[in-house]
Amino acid sequence: EAQVTQNPRYLITVTGKKLTVTCSQNMNHEYMSWYRQDPGLGLRQIYYSMNVEVTDKGDVPEGYKVSRKEKRNFPLILESPSPNQTSLYFCASSFHLRTGFTDTQYFGPGTRLTVL
Amino acid sequence: QKEVEQNSGPLSVPEGAIASLNCTYSDRGSQSFFWYRQYSGKSPELIMFIYSNGDKEDGRFTAQLNKASQYVSLLIRDSQPSDSATYLCAVIRAGDTGGFKTIFGAGTRLFVKA
Repeated sequence: EAQVTQNPRYLITVTGKKLTVTCSQNMNHEYMSWYRQDPGLGLRQIYYSMNVEVTDKGDVPEGYKVSRKEKRNFPLILESPSPNQTSLYFCASSFHLRTGFTDTQYFGPGTRLTVL
Repeated sequence: QKEVEQNSGPLSVPEGAIASLNCTYSDRGSQSFFWYRQYSGKSPELIMFIYSNGDKEDGRFTAQLNKASQYVSLLIRDSQPSDSATYLCAVIRAGDTGGFKTIFGAGTRLFVKA
């Protein structure tokens, strides 16, 4: 089954304790992205990756790191989480069309993170 | 001003009516436009995408794009209670250092009354 998986689905942690949220896709997609969703603000892009070893900042990258060492995986790292990073996080992936457009993004199930 | 703007709603329509959802964007370099639907507690899922000016129809859904006015809309004909959800407009444009950024609007909540 074609899918994007995220782990963990729920996480409660404390300020300053490093954490990693994993994201994996089995569709051979080049483009992968992380979003956070907050009430009234919609989805905001944190980081995106056009392909292996190619990452770039979205609109809200502060406090986050990513890596893309393999095509299928795109982990999100919070090295020193703070309460303002409490949010619902989505990973997504898509093909990157040679015409220059980006195809439909398929979203993972979401990770609800609470930082105390 | 947000780069992608949507009326937050809620938009309430009776069953069987046409629901009209609107989205404006500010960057003229935006290349592709997507409508996603998100049910409460679930992930966004694609309804339609549109790249060129004009209308694109898919079943009960029609997307309309007007690049001159920087406006994209989604019409839902014969609205059903199961269409009640938040509708997200997404715009793809070139990133500041290459690649393609995705900018979402805050979403419009739609209620379809039986």
